[in-house]
Amino acid sequence: QKEVEQNSGPLSVPEGAIASLNCTYSDRGSQSFFWYRQYSGKSPELIMFIYSNGDKEDGRFTAQLNKASQYVSLLIRDSQPSDSATYLCAVNMNNQGGKLIFGQGTELSVKP
Amino acid sequence: DVKVTQSSRYLVKRTGEKVFLECVQDMDHENMFWYRQDPGLGLRLIYFSYDVKMKEKGDIPEGYSVSREKKERFSLILESASTNQTSMYLCASSSGSLEPQHFGDGTRLSIL
Repeated sequence: QKEVEQNSGPLSVPEGAIASLNCTYSDRGSQSFFWYRQYSGKSPELIMFIYSNGDKEDGRFTAQLNKASQYVSLLIRDSQPSDSATYLCAVNMNNQGGKLIFGQGTELSVKP
Repeated sequence: DVKVTQSSRYLVKRTGEKVFLECVQDMDHENMFWYRQDPGLGLRLIYFSYDVKMKEKGDIPEGYSVSREKKERFSLILESASTNQTSMYLCASSSGSLEPQHFGDGTRLSIL
């Protein structure tokens, strides 16, 4: 079992819809969770982080964490073509210091 | 805003050369990281550092070394470049073990 798993996609949604990106992780002791956006040929850009169970909202983005289910998700409301990118889930595993374990990424395509 | 600066966006070198990739961060971050990213393989950690003159091996350290003589600067060294080290190299920094990592723009390195 991979430590951090994401569906590779591509996930295709129409403009204006809600995009839902999902991530599961294996270590129950994980303490911090991050979502990065990466455009083709560019470096990852931090868009959300969450430490506690529940929802965290920032503009059109909502991160959801359920530690009991070892599940973290990212919702993008009112999706725009400019949201088309690969979204990387990253998890700070227990006792790994500052190391992050990254998922393989989900490719999102928002169609006009 | 955190600024992580990588010395080159594109670099072309020949096999057998010694290659230096430089990374500087301006936020007094304790932790610095070097990754490589290849299609289908995701982000892979090469080396990281929690403090000046300190280094830890990541998942794929073979063929690489690092240097951290000053807190703000973390260098990746390819001792004798080989074609299988052609890749996108990403530097990142963070302020603590649970904090997000912030990435530089990346260096696309080609070894001919």
